[in-house]
Amino acid sequence: GNSVTQMEGPVTLSEEAFLTINCTYTATGYPSLFWYVQYPGEGLQLLLKATKADDKGSNKGFEATYRKETTSFHLEKGSVQVSDSAVYFCALRDPINTGTASKLTFGTGTRLQVTL
Amino acid sequence: NAGVMQNPRHLVRRRGQEARLRCSPMKGHSHVYWYRQLPEEGLKFMVYLQKENIIDESGMPKERFSAEFPKEGPSILRIQQVVRGDSAAYFCASSPQSNQPQHFGDGTRLSIL
Repeated sequence: GNSVTQMEGPVTLSEEAFLTINCTYTATGYPSLFWYVQYPGEGLQLLLKATKADDKGSNKGFEATYRKETTSFHLEKGSVQVSDSAVYFCALRDPINTGTASKLTFGTGTRLQVTL
Repeated sequence: NAGVMQNPRHLVRRRGQEARLRCSPMKGHSHVYWYRQLPEEGLKFMVYLQKENIIDESGMPKERFSAEFPKEGPSILRIQQVVRGDSAAYFCASSPQSNQPQHFGDGTRLSIL
């Protein structure tokens, strides 16, 4: 079955540091890949997505590239801010032509804490 | 343009009681998904519904759990005879089509005494 593996947290960084959160996946075919962010007490917000190999999703300074050869979708940001402190979830969705097309499979999440 | 609305935000029940969680999708969205998040874990898919139809319930426990999305009104996730292990955050998401990104509500945090 499908699975998503994320690096364990928490990740603690100083403001303006470079961020990488690793995400690898197992799936058949070409799934769509997503990063969601969850702030304390809130639901998940879609951060960025990529639907095919070599696509780069980007939003709010975050970016991730769909790497089919390494089955990875690592999240990066060049300079983090205190306001980026949250839990980040990597997720995949099966290609639309499979019977399980719509449900999302999530990683366990990586907590990011940014300090001044 | 309201997002996905879930209520209540917090729900406390005693063991053996019933819990009803409600979800109103975003305007124009006819696809609804329910996920459960246990403490310090990721979200696990439970069920996917369209209006009046259950499309995929492969993540639903076989007993005590049920879901509906009637023609009128919100989607309901119902848990009968709750047990301590049902304590979790339950999130609803919606999308306009099955291949579009899912938008999440703020969740219902269920606590079982």
